[in-house]
Amino acid sequence: DIQMTQSPSSLSASVGDRVTITCQASQDIRNHLNWYQQKPGKAPKLLIHDASNLETGVPSRFSGSGSGTDFTFTISSLQSDDFATYYCQQFDNFPRTFGPGTKVDIK
Amino acid sequence: EVQLVESGGDLVQPGGSLRLSCTASGFTFSNYWMSWFRQAPGKGLEWVANIKPDGSEQHYVDSVKGRFTISRDNAKNSLHLQLNSLRVEDTAIYYCARGVNHNRYWGQGILVIVSS
Repeated sequence: DIQMTQSPSSLSASVGDRVTITCQASQDIRNHLNWYQQKPGKAPKLLIHDASNLETGVPSRFSGSGSGTDFTFTISSLQSDDFATYYCQQFDNFPRTFGPGTKVDIK
Repeated sequence: EVQLVESGGDLVQPGGSLRLSCTASGFTFSNYWMSWFRQAPGKGLEWVANIKPDGSEQHYVDSVKGRFTISRDNAKNSLHLQLNSLRVEDTAIYYCARGVNHNRYWGQGILVIVSS
């Protein structure tokens, strides 16, 4: 199975801050990576697919990059609505696997 | 509008069985792979299983192989997950989602509690 790691596991930030989360796969997954946002009590929301493609309707302050084993997710200017947990997920192989998540909360 | 609505969650004893359903609307159900995910209380997301549009191919996470069965009824726009030999560690919110690679649409989730 492909193991996904994320860093950091949590962070505290202020509105307007730039936030960066990294995700690493245990083997080459090409660009077969999604980023999801999840708020408490809600289903996950797909933000970015294929490592860098923004989902329709998702604000442009969200971005993703990377390929192979190393990936980055960035929020360029954190908004109050962005406080949530973020997960990376690979879809290169079965079983699909997620990173452990990064909780972004208010400083 | 795409909608996915799960049902069938309950409190069940270890070793018991449960059948979850997901009713789909707003898209041509028979054209899409469908998936089940779960999230244990306070934990991260876990992919459980998915099924090809015609039902001819299924994939499972190792921890549920031989115990869970994913199926679909394209005539009724419904997806199912049969959960057998349930364990305490299967306690989670179960979500159905559309797709195999990019899961854009998710249901609201249904709670399964396995406890004596």
